[in-house]
Amino acid sequence: GAVVSQHPSRVICKSGTSVKIECRSLDFQATTMFWYRQFPKQSLMLMATSNEGSKATYEQGVEKDKFLINHASLTLSTLTVTSAHPEDSSFYICSALLSPLLAKNIQYFGAGTRLSVL
Amino acid sequence: SQQGEEDPQALSIQEGENATMNCSYKTSINNLQWYRQNSGRGLVHLILIRSNEREKHSGRLRVTLDTSKKSSSLLITASRAADTASYFCATDASGYGNKLVFGAGTILRVKS
Repeated sequence: GAVVSQHPSRVICKSGTSVKIECRSLDFQATTMFWYRQFPKQSLMLMATSNEGSKATYEQGVEKDKFLINHASLTLSTLTVTSAHPEDSSFYICSALLSPLLAKNIQYFGAGTRLSVL
Repeated sequence: SQQGEEDPQALSIQEGENATMNCSYKTSINNLQWYRQNSGRGLVHLILIRSNEREKHSGRLRVTLDTSKKSSSLLITASRAADTASYFCATDASGYGNKLVFGAGTILRVKS
């Protein structure tokens, strides 16, 4: 099956620093990837849609200058949390779309990144 | 918000029993999917049912869809301790691009 790798799995950083999270599709090309944020015992909140070779589309209320997304290749999207603050602490999950036509919009998820900002 | 609701929020059953989770949504859909999430991990796709289908099976999973009521159910038969996880429905809504809208989720605990 389609495999998505997300790295790092856990990161602890100081307030004010930036953190980069990588999402890679290992055995398929993904023109579209998604970034989600999840609070404890809650559902996934879509932050942005990442399209290869173009700017990401952010959901309402998500600061694009705060959460920088780059999708430079068909297998890699990155999320950079800039000037992180304690309120940015959360579980961030990426997913990749195999093929909207073939896979009927089934998303394949990374294992998630637990970000803790001190 | 387009996010659907799931009930129950939490479900605790004995191994071997069946588990039923329900999902309601708000918009017209192309399909509805169910995903599973183990604690602190990513989601895994379980099953997809198209808007023109009413029931679908996959192993111990049975999914139903009632588009007139905008609701779906996921039945896990003969549950196992390893089925302990959170389960989310997700809708592929018409006119919403490639995005999925996830329900609130049901936390299932299967006791051995």
